Amino acid sequence: EIVLTQSPGTLSLSPGERATLSCRASQTVSSNYVAWYQQTPGQAPRLLMYDAYSRATGIPDRFSGSGSGTDFTLTISRLDPEDFAVYYCQQYGSSPLTFGQGTKLEIK
Amino acid sequence: EVQLVESGGGLVKPGGSLRLSCAASGFTVSNVWMTWVRQAPGKGLEWVGRIRSKSDGGTTDYGAPVKARFTISRDESKNTIYLQMNSLKVEDTGVYYCARAKEGSHGYYYWGQGTLVTVSS
Repeated sequence: EIVLTQSPGTLSLSPGERATLSCRASQTVSSNYVAWYQQTPGQAPRLLMYDAYSRATGIPDRFSGSGSGTDFTLTISRLDPEDFAVYYCQQYGSSPLTFGQGTKLEIK
Repeated sequence: EVQLVESGGGLVKPGGSLRLSCAASGFTVSNVWMTWVRQAPGKGLEWVGRIRSKSDGGTTDYGAPVKARFTISRDESKNTIYLQMNSLKVEDTGVYYCARAKEGSHGYYYWGQGTLVTVSS
């Protein structure tokens, strides 16, 4: 099973700042099959990125994904107040599929 | 419009069983891969398992914590998928979501609203 470790656990930033979230896999993720999700309290997760760097339908271009192999990054170029939430990475390159433990992005 | 509606959650004693349903509309469940994801209270997301489309064999995969206890199936006539949960443990408590990808894409774009399962004596 591939273990995904996200860092930092909590990120405190202000609106307008840039956010960089990391996701490290315990082994190479096949075909860079990594997705990123955003979740706000009481809501289902929302798909942001898939295949490491492809933006999902309707996601603003301030969100971008990068990385390959075992190291992946989600970048939010300029934080909007609605971006403060919990973010999860997921690998779907091998079964069982797994999620990272999450990064909480909070307002500083 | 794609919609997923989960139901069947509730309170169950340890060792008991429960069957969750995910009723789909706007598409045919047998044509896509469908997944269950759960979230314990205040915790992160956990992949439970999936069922492949009919054209891909309709087979299932499960996460280690639920393997041999949980079973995913579908009923084409009801356009619904199910999660049969047996030998439930306290640590199975959480919100259970069904989800699927967009056609030709990856990642779970469509999600239900979730149904809460509480395992407690």
